[in-house]
Amino acid sequence: AQSVAQPEDQVNVAEGNPLTVKCTYSVSGNPYLFWYVQYPNRGLQFLLKYITGDNLVKGSYGFEAEFNKSQTSFHLKKPSALVSDSALYFCAVRDMSGTYKYIFGTGTRLKVLA
Amino acid sequence: AAGVIQSPRHLIKEKRETATLKCYPIPRHDTVYWYQQGPGQDPQFLISFYEKMQSDKGSIPDRFSAQQFSDYHSELNMSSLELGDSALYFCASSLGTGLYNEQFFGPGTRLTVL
Repeated sequence: AQSVAQPEDQVNVAEGNPLTVKCTYSVSGNPYLFWYVQYPNRGLQFLLKYITGDNLVKGSYGFEAEFNKSQTSFHLKKPSALVSDSALYFCAVRDMSGTYKYIFGTGTRLKVLA
Repeated sequence: AAGVIQSPRHLIKEKRETATLKCYPIPRHDTVYWYQQGPGQDPQFLISFYEKMQSDKGSIPDRFSAQQFSDYHSELNMSSLELGDSALYFCASSLGTGLYNEQFFGPGTRLTVL
């Protein structure tokens, strides 16, 4: 069964500092990984995805993620955090059975401090 | 660009009442997925439809039913509501059910059961 884990419930970072939100995965076969962001009382917004190719994936709003097969990780990164980046971040993997539904991690709340 | 539309955005019901949530996919999208996100939880897959037929089923209670109509919009019907049904319900749409077909999420319907 496919799964993702987000080991941190919350990450605090000072504005202007680099941020990392961690995600590890467990899949059979090739992983198809995603990051979504959720602002309060809002829907899920797509940030980026890894299907194949370069291990460094660039996405929306200056975010990027590094796919590491040996460590089974797909950490989300941003070189310089903004207060407006404060939100809930979900890592997800496509289920390889059925209709490729998303399986989400438990989410990490990012708090960027001014 | 047109996005996924969900209505209503907010819904308040009493225990044992019924509720109907609607999802209007992006034009030309033929696949709809429903997810439930409880308070402080990650989104969980409920059910999906492709070309008006149920294509996959997750942890959807027997009290819930759903269907997809000829115009591809979908409705999630919830009966005998319980307090635990209070959640944010997301709909996502895609063009086809393939692995590379990205799902686009709507803003969600927040259901509160009193």
